[in-house]
Amino acid sequence: AQSVSQHNHHVILSEAASLELGCNYSYGGTVNLFWYVQYPGQHLQLLLKYFSGDPLVKGIKGFEAEFIKSKFSFNLRKPSVQWSDTAEYFCAVNAPGNAGGTSYGKLTFGQGTILTVHP
Amino acid sequence: DGGITQSPKYLFRKEGQNVTLSCEQNLNHDAMYWYRQDPGQGLRLIYYSQIVNDFQKGDIAEGYSVSREKKESFPLTVTSAQKNPTAFYLCASRSRGSSVKLFFGSGTQLSVL
Repeated sequence: AQSVSQHNHHVILSEAASLELGCNYSYGGTVNLFWYVQYPGQHLQLLLKYFSGDPLVKGIKGFEAEFIKSKFSFNLRKPSVQWSDTAEYFCAVNAPGNAGGTSYGKLTFGQGTILTVHP
Repeated sequence: DGGITQSPKYLFRKEGQNVTLSCEQNLNHDAMYWYRQDPGQGLRLIYYSQIVNDFQKGDIAEGYSVSREKKESFPLTVTSAQKNPTAFYLCASRSRGSSVKLFFGSGTQLSVL
């Protein structure tokens, strides 16, 4: 079974600092990878995703993530964080599975990382 | 506006009581999902449904039940058999054939009295 591990439970940064949130997954086959973000009081929303191709993917609000297959990692980065980036961030993995698509959407989530950015 | 509506926002359950969480979507999505969010544990899949009148257990289905009588609706019942029901519950949906992007509702916080 697939699993996802996020190494940091709570990260505290000052504005303009650089951010990197770690995510490792365990699954031997082809995977789709995601980062979701939940801002205080808001819905969970997709930040970025990787399906195939360029392992460096760019998402909304200046975030990017790099898929390193050999390390089973999909770390999230942002060069300069803002106070408005304060949120909880979730890494998720989906193994595409069979042609019937019954595993589509069956995402396995990491534990989440709370990011607090001080102005 | 199209979206997913979960109700109520807050729910309290007494010992031995069954409670039902509502999830409605007007996105015309085929698939719907229920996740449970606990601090430090991330989101875990309870049940999911790919089409009407069909659903499958997720990773932590014990103590829960669902139904999918209409495409728009996927209610979750937390039964008395669920011994640790206090959590934040998230409903999500996805359209068939699209990418694996899920749309999430705003969640229901369930607490035990």
